[in-house]
Amino acid sequence: SQQGEEDPQALSIQEGENATMNCSYKTSINNLQWYRQNSGRGLVHLILIRSNEREKHSGRLRVTLDTSKKSSSLLITASRAADTASYFCGAAGNKLTFGGGTRVLVKP
Amino acid sequence: ETGVTQTPRHLVMGMTNKKSLKCEQHLGHNAMYWYKQSAKKPLELMFVYNFKEQTENNSVPSRFSPECPNSSHLFLHLHTLQPEDSALYLCASSQDGSLTDTQYFGPGTRLTVL
Repeated sequence: SQQGEEDPQALSIQEGENATMNCSYKTSINNLQWYRQNSGRGLVHLILIRSNEREKHSGRLRVTLDTSKKSSSLLITASRAADTASYFCGAAGNKLTFGGGTRVLVKP
Repeated sequence: ETGVTQTPRHLVMGMTNKKSLKCEQHLGHNAMYWYKQSAKKPLELMFVYNFKEQTENNSVPSRFSPECPNSSHLFLHLHTLQPEDSALYLCASSQDGSLTDTQYFGPGTRLTVL
């Protein structure tokens, strides 16, 4: 069974709004990674949060990790049309496994 | 650019054809990966190579045959594929083969099997 599962599957927001997506996983992890994928392209690494960290920031991105709930969230603040993409979490247990992703549409 | 290139970017092949996908990484990494991404399915890890040795094969059918001649190059040889093999095939690399390290992906090869 897959490790990371993202929620919601799709998200549509206006430019300037915040976008929040969640990831749940099943087993213990070493770290959790978030990736972005533009349509038909490869995944691009955004941020990695280790199992002993609770929150991490990178530019407009904020990631939280709650190992007791086996969940993580990715917040994109002040979204831009260029943030339109699919976002995947990768749960790094004994290997890195991905969920089905959240498709984010940012409307200008 | 992530430092990982893949060729071709698009490939259409018949079920009786033989073709190969190529991946090259310019990052000095030691581990390389093949993934399959089908519509509406999670990314599926197919193979892992660490220091040119295959360390993971996720029950991939034998019609997919990987080859890793050195740490910078990875091939996926395809023969007698099925239409359900149509997908985006992604190559990735990481510093080591710990499987939990950050991975750097290529742009993918969009494969269509007729």
